[in-house]
Amino acid sequence: EAAVTQSPRSKVAVTGGKVTLSCHQTNNHDYMYWYRQDTGHGLRLIHYSYVADSTEKGDIPDGYKASRPSQENFSLILELASLSQTAVYFCASSVPGRIYEQYFGPGTRLTVL
Amino acid sequence: GDSVTQMQGQVTLSEDDFLFINCTYSTTWYPTLFWYVQYPGEGPQLLLKVTTANNKGISRGFEATYDKGTTSFHLQKASVQESDSAVYYCVLGDMGYKLTFGTGTSLLVDP
Repeated sequence: EAAVTQSPRSKVAVTGGKVTLSCHQTNNHDYMYWYRQDTGHGLRLIHYSYVADSTEKGDIPDGYKASRPSQENFSLILELASLSQTAVYFCASSVPGRIYEQYFGPGTRLTVL
Repeated sequence: GDSVTQMQGQVTLSEDDFLFINCTYSTTWYPTLFWYVQYPGEGPQLLLKVTTANNKGISRGFEATYDKGTTSFHLQKASVQESDSAVYYCVLGDMGYKLTFGTGTSLLVDP
């Protein structure tokens, strides 16, 4: 079973500061994803990656960058954090051929003040 | 673009009650439909996959079907337990990589 871990699990950031959320998976999955969860919106895709050193924009990429330095690691970067980016962020991974069956991490609760 | 509408925001039941959650979808592609479940403090996890109309998906006592004519899909369970308390998402997979999530139905089962 895929294991996806996220760090930190919770973070408080100041408006205008830089925030980096990290994701690590140990099951050799090629695909990785970043979602945000807001009340009333379900989960929305921010960025995703098919392979190391390559990232793609999802549905709501504005204000976010992503980095995939290795197959196992995928980071989400908020260069200038804003109040509207307060949310719970989930990382997920999947294998080719079963890309819809995604394995999610436990989430990071980000509060921007 | 693809969309999923999940109208039931919150459902409260007693143990052994019947559960029925309904969603509608819109897509220009052949739909691949899923139900994900999220327990408190955890990320979502796949519960069921339904890939063809009138072909039930079954897992952990839950059943899922979809109706192509009405572009709706459903999740049901004959007898819920307190441990089923969670948020249930109907999810549409598109022709590429992407999952489109509904807004979620929060199920609370009273013992």
